[in-house]
Amino acid sequence: EAGVTQFPSHSVIEKGQTVTLRCDPISGHDNLYWYRRVMGKEIKFLLHFVKESKQDESGMPNNRFLAERTGGTYSTLKVQPAELEDSGVYFCASSLNLGGLGYTFGSGTRLTVV
Amino acid sequence: DAKTTQPPSMDCAEGRAANLPCNHSTISGNEYVYWYRQIHSQGPQYIIHGLKNNETNEMASLIITEDRKSSTLILPHATLRDTAVYYCIVRLNDYKLSFGAGTTVTVRA
Repeated sequence: EAGVTQFPSHSVIEKGQTVTLRCDPISGHDNLYWYRRVMGKEIKFLLHFVKESKQDESGMPNNRFLAERTGGTYSTLKVQPAELEDSGVYFCASSLNLGGLGYTFGSGTRLTVV
Repeated sequence: DAKTTQPPSMDCAEGRAANLPCNHSTISGNEYVYWYRQIHSQGPQYIIHGLKNNETNEMASLIITEDRKSSTLILPHATLRDTAVYYCIVRLNDYKLSFGAGTTVTVRA
């Protein structure tokens, strides 16, 4: 079974530019989550999709962040315009059911805004 | 969610058992104890979870005290590849996980 795939693995962009991160969940997993760890901080929840619907985006830091999951398959997380404090590692995870069985996380995208 | 307390770091000898403690004195009756770990440059990895009974899988064992106020994750035969940050999380389910600082475990040859 293929795992959760994220790309790019690394991205370096200038402040003010736009970056789009992509996540391919495990096939058949309706639940998809985004988390991030910004420098020196703990891993924090960003949002949760069930299929193509956003169930909870309470962790999204501000309106510069836009997540989509068209067709309920892969998801994108766009940061526009990027700021220095957005630097960190962005993780995607997926699960078959909600709760109890553990997520499968991707390896993350390391975003550096300079 | 109940707050958890873990030691910031611990060392373990390769081949020996690693016992990782976690205190969760404010846990409620229907909250589970989850353990995840993050190996450097990888995403977090689910290890095990439990409610009341001790649990064992191919990765680890989870021992939960009778009053459920603390638990111990046991890696029976630690290897160098078990070097990671281990997170103890208490939640109703593993939706919207809240990762704390965790315990940095270093397995030494």
